[in-house]
Amino acid sequence: KNQVEQSPQSLIILEGKNCTLQCNYTVSPFSNLRWYKQDTGRGPVSLTIMTFSENTKSNGRYTATLDADTKQSSLHITASQLSDSASYICVVSGNNDMRFGAGTRLTVKP
Amino acid sequence: NAGVTQTPKFQVLKTGQSMTLQCAQDMNHNSMYWYRQDPGMGLRLIYYSASEGTTDKGEVPNGYNVSRLNKREFSLRLESAAPSQTSVYFCASREGPGDRNQPQHFGDGTRLSIL
Repeated sequence: KNQVEQSPQSLIILEGKNCTLQCNYTVSPFSNLRWYKQDTGRGPVSLTIMTFSENTKSNGRYTATLDADTKQSSLHITASQLSDSASYICVVSGNNDMRFGAGTRLTVKP
Repeated sequence: NAGVTQTPKFQVLKTGQSMTLQCAQDMNHNSMYWYRQDPGMGLRLIYYSASEGTTDKGEVPNGYNVSRLNKREFSLRLESAAPSQTSVYFCASREGPGDRNQPQHFGDGTRLSIL
């Protein structure tokens, strides 16, 4: 069983709508959690990082939350744009390794 | 500002053939990584190099070898390709092994098909 589980696997929304992506993890001990955006045919690009003491962090229209007690994170996208169509990958770092989720494939339709 | 450059972008091999995937970064990063990405799975670490002159196995090293040629370049070699190695391969770099809060910077991948 993967130590980082993301849901949903895929999501289709209309342009301008909001959405929330989920990440649950079992990695322990915990160092940080990062969200990456991966456009089709490209490598992942970091959106935001959260450490143990942070529970909310924003990057433009992207807002990440972290609940270290329940080991859950979410990525909320506000007022979606066509360019938000991509895979979003949750990565959790422990002391000596990083574990990648399988990603959520988001499609934004006009 | 190129970042992380991978070559080739696409490659088709026959079972048993060998090839080397090239990766170079221009950010003066100390650490470099090779991952594979398969459908429905997260990226899995094949090998990494925490600093120039060192390499270590990751989660799925079997069938691969690596060379940290210098600080900029980190290559991945398949000695005898197998269909199970069909995947998208990503190279990444990070400033240093000591600060886990630094992001990894990824190349755009090599799409490898083995027939």
